[in-house]
Amino acid sequence: EPEVTQTPSHQVTQMGQEVILRCVPISNHLYFYWYRQILGQKVEFLVSFYNNEISEKSEIFDDQFSVERPDGSNFTLKIRSTKLEDSAMYFCASSDIGTSYGYTFGSGTRLTVV
Amino acid sequence: QKEVEQNSGPLSVPEGAIASLNCTYSDRGSQSFFWYRQYSGKSPELIMSIYSNGDKEDGRFTAQLNKASQYVSLLIRDSQPSDSATYLCAVNMRGQNFVFGPGTRLSVLP
Repeated sequence: EPEVTQTPSHQVTQMGQEVILRCVPISNHLYFYWYRQILGQKVEFLVSFYNNEISEKSEIFDDQFSVERPDGSNFTLKIRSTKLEDSAMYFCASSDIGTSYGYTFGSGTRLTVV
Repeated sequence: QKEVEQNSGPLSVPEGAIASLNCTYSDRGSQSFFWYRQYSGKSPELIMSIYSNGDKEDGRFTAQLNKASQYVSLLIRDSQPSDSATYLCAVNMRGQNFVFGPGTRLSVLP
């Protein structure tokens, strides 16, 4: 079964450093998403991406965050200057026809900011 | 404020019993509803989707939707210890994203 692949599985970074989280969506999917889950809390929407541009973003997705699809396969989330409160699991997801039929999450990247 | 509410649990049921998980949502115009299962430390896994009022069955799982009451539920028949996980209700409240509930932790006791 096709999978959404995320790397790295775990990243530790110092506060103020930049991190890039990487995702390879399912190959024929057109819609891409980032969500995060702080330990013990809800899964929260960050951003959706379609046709090479952001289609929707949440209040969490401020100027410190950016997304990019640098080639035909990768989808990245960059956090420019990490804060302690950015520590969370970050999930990438993709779908072929938007949200109407659910989407598939990757295995996640655990980001720890120290 | 777009909200999805669930009882946090834990909900404990004996093996073989029916587990009933409930969810309410705030946006009356919501059209798509999903149940995800999340094992500890893992990503959410889609198990059911429902779009119309009524019941939808898939194996041991039945999703129920009542849009007038803004209520979605998930029944798990013949519960197994492997069903022990957190069950997340997710609602597509117009727009591209899902709003997730806090999840209900289910424990199936052998």
